[in-house]
Amino acid sequence: NAGVTQTPKFRILKIGQSMTLQCTQDMNHNYMYWYRQDPGMGLKLIYYSVGAGITDKGEVPNGYNVSRSTTEDFPLRLELAAPSQTSVYFCASSYSRGGYTFGSGTRLTVV
Amino acid sequence: DQQVKQNSPSLSVQEGRISILNCDYTNSMFDYFLWYKKYPAEGPTFLISISSIKDKNEDGRFTVFLNKSAKHLSLHIVPSQPGDSAVYFCAASAFYAGGTSYGKLTFGQGTILTVHP
Repeated sequence: NAGVTQTPKFRILKIGQSMTLQCTQDMNHNYMYWYRQDPGMGLKLIYYSVGAGITDKGEVPNGYNVSRSTTEDFPLRLELAAPSQTSVYFCASSYSRGGYTFGSGTRLTVV
Repeated sequence: DQQVKQNSPSLSVQEGRISILNCDYTNSMFDYFLWYKKYPAEGPTFLISISSIKDKNEDGRFTVFLNKSAKHLSLHIVPSQPGDSAVYFCAASAFYAGGTSYGKLTFGQGTILTVHP
């Protein structure tokens, strides 16, 4: 039972490069989320999805895009990487109220 | 606008003693509260939750208290163990207030708990 799988675990990007953070869950959860964690700042919601084909912005969506073509996958796209996007990114899924299962995170550095 | 605040960045306690982690919130629409625990290089894991209709919830060594009038909740760990050393996040949501919360959580900044043997 894999839960929520995030890839890659680490990545260094140059300013202006693009990349996709992958997230897959095998629990058939409808709700999926992307959060970022900056030092001393807690987790901030970037985007979320309530089901395949349905996504919406969270608190800090600028510079990111998402898609949800299947229940299992919820990739996060960075189009033009900026140093402000240096962070640890967590994907999570849930079946209902707050019962989140988190992935192990992707540590991204933009230089 | 930090709607959920954990004002203590760190807490150090002796093994066997009580650990008390605190959390304050400002949004009166929040009606469901959770605590998550996070080890380095891992994602947060769910620890315990409480809805606004209760003022206390227990699960083994962990108890969460909610004071709605003060907009304050706390997590008590008794007795504390070295394996409890981790970052603890408080989170809140407006689950019952309306149909649009979609499980979105607002997190506090986290408190680093260190339990010394």
